[in-house]
Amino acid sequence: QITLKESGPTLVKPTQTLTLTCIFSGFSLTTPGVDVGWIRQPPGKALEWLALIKWDDAKRYSPSLKSSLTITKDTSKNHVVLTMTNVDPVDTATYYCALSTGYCRGWCPDIWGQGTLVTVSS
Amino acid sequence: SYVLTQPPSVSVAPGQTARIPCGGNNVGSKSVHWFQQKPGQAPVLVVYAGTDRPSGIPERFSGSNSGNTATLTISEVEAGDEADYYCQVWDSSTDDEVFGGGTKLTVL
Repeated sequence: QITLKESGPTLVKPTQTLTLTCIFSGFSLTTPGVDVGWIRQPPGKALEWLALIKWDDAKRYSPSLKSSLTITKDTSKNHVVLTMTNVDPVDTATYYCALSTGYCRGWCPDIWGQGTLVTVSS
Repeated sequence: SYVLTQPPSVSVAPGQTARIPCGGNNVGSKSVHWFQQKPGQAPVLVVYAGTDRPSGIPERFSGSNSGNTATLTISEVEAGDEADYYCQVWDSSTDDEVFGGGTKLTVL
């Protein structure tokens, strides 16, 4: 069974760096076609894609947030880490990690974590 | 940047067919994915690549995509289908994964 779970701080101060970890089980991030990404959802608002990392360590970022995001993976520890620098209250959201197992040629995440709510406030 | 436009809400009576549109410039040339999100839960992929269903998704869920509009169709709507629905595409010009604004489906 494949599972993903996000972990990280629930409260971050403006201008700080947010670090989120996606801990997964039931698959290997070295398997061709397997990609893990991060998506966020501000309270009451729509989904927004942030970044993804592919099985071959290729990385893709949202063009609007690229300068503040870094995504990495540790296949030995089965986790993916997203860092976001210089956070602002508008970054308050539920952050999800999600896995695309290969249904589609691109990225169509079919397995999601439960999400973690991060509040940015002083 | 590429924009996907969805109506904020769609209402339908139980047993009827719900159609949720997702508009975008020449979206018919793109691979569209649809997600269902119930309150307090993570999204669930219900249609991928425009018309295909992941395993475990009922046949009542189907998709179409042509011209400037992709559509998620839910036939024989049930109370349990009440949720927010999002479309998503990859914009090759910016290498961006774009989500629509979401549509709240209300079952009357």
